[in-house]
Amino acid sequence: DQQVKQNSPSLSVQEGRISILNCDYTNSMFDYFLWYKKYPAEGPTFLISISSIKDKNEDGRFTVFLNKSAKHLSLHIVPSQPGDSAVYFCAASWMDSSYKLIFGSGTRLLVRP
Amino acid sequence: NAGVTQTPKFQVLKTGQSMTLQCAQDMNHNSMYWYRQDPGMGLRLIYYSASEGTTDKGEVPNGYNVSRLNKREFSLRLESAAPSQTSVYFCAAPGTDTQYFGPGTRLTVL
Repeated sequence: DQQVKQNSPSLSVQEGRISILNCDYTNSMFDYFLWYKKYPAEGPTFLISISSIKDKNEDGRFTVFLNKSAKHLSLHIVPSQPGDSAVYFCAASWMDSSYKLIFGSGTRLLVRP
Repeated sequence: NAGVTQTPKFQVLKTGQSMTLQCAQDMNHNSMYWYRQDPGMGLRLIYYSASEGTTDKGEVPNGYNVSRLNKREFSLRLESAAPSQTSVYFCAAPGTDTQYFGPGTRLTVL
């Protein structure tokens, strides 16, 4: 049973527009969420995170929103750039987990010039 | 991927062969992790080590063994490779508020 779900395998947006990537989770124990970006033939690289005590975290063009009641988080990229084209993974962790991460299946983002 | 290195980058094995994937981190953290990534799936935890001398199973440990050689190094061993172990393997170590991943090992088992 997948505890972290990314239901959109792919997303295509025009350069300059907003990209919205979604993630749902089922385990109420999760209290820390991360987004990773992955290019082909490379390891995932950390993008942004959010603790369950917050509902929003912003870092430049990237904003993550957390809706705990809906067990839903989203990553907004504004404005989208062609270099943002990659696979984005949502991941979750919890207290006393020894920093273990549970990943979603990923969303492939294509930003069209 | 600064701070986490993995060898080899690519490997092809025949069914039944054995091999060890090596991982090293220079971030001086106690914990280290091995994940595998398969097409259409996220990364799944195979084994982790919360500190030197300790190892624990993750979500998909069957067919693998690990060794935490010292604080820097954490190796993953396939004793008898199977086609189902064809995957990309990532080692990771924690940093500030995140995990840092190595560049990955692409393993094919024929």
